[in-house]
Amino acid sequence: NAGVTQTPKFQVLKTGQSMTLQCAQDMNHNSMYWYRQDPGMGLRLIYYSASEGTTDKGEVPNGYNVSRLNKREFSLRLESAAPSQTSVYFCASNLKAGGVEKLFFGSGTQLSVL
Amino acid sequence: GENVEQHPSTLSVQEGDSAVIKCTYSDSASNYFPWYKQELGKRPQLIIDIRSNVGEKKDQRIAVTLNKTAKHFSLHITETQPEDSAVYFCAASIDFGNEKLTFGTGTRLTIIP
Repeated sequence: NAGVTQTPKFQVLKTGQSMTLQCAQDMNHNSMYWYRQDPGMGLRLIYYSASEGTTDKGEVPNGYNVSRLNKREFSLRLESAAPSQTSVYFCASNLKAGGVEKLFFGSGTQLSVL
Repeated sequence: GENVEQHPSTLSVQEGDSAVIKCTYSDSASNYFPWYKQELGKRPQLIIDIRSNVGEKKDQRIAVTLNKTAKHFSLHITETQPEDSAVYFCAASIDFGNEKLTFGTGTRLTIIP
């Protein structure tokens, strides 16, 4: 049981390049999320998927797209990277059971856009 | 939307002393308040949470209190240990749904041996 796995761990892009961050969970969770973490700003929700086949915008969706490929996988795509997208990105999935709400996070992707 | 403010941004305490981190929220409809701990270079992990139908919850050395009237909640860590050094995030949510979970900006807690 690996939990939430995201790749890559590190990435450097040039402005205008595109890339996809991959995320997979093996806990059979329905909901999955993408957050970005910037110094002094906490964790901000980019997009989420409440169930397979659905996606919705979070607090900071501009410049990103997502795909919920199946129940396990939720990818985040940057079509044309900008320096403002330099950040640490976390994928997460959600356990909702027995009155417990718990986000399980991946290990993070440190992205630098030059 | 919901706005969560967290204070202080940094906190240093002597090992064995207590640490308190405070958060305020803006939306009176929020009813779920988790706390996440993020050690250096690691992923955030849930350490404790509280719902609006209780005023306090304890788990060993960690406790969370909630004042719904004042719209603030606090994390209390007693008998601090070096492994408590981390960044702590509070969060607030409506309807127990993590889709609407809003995080505070984090508190970097340093335990001084």
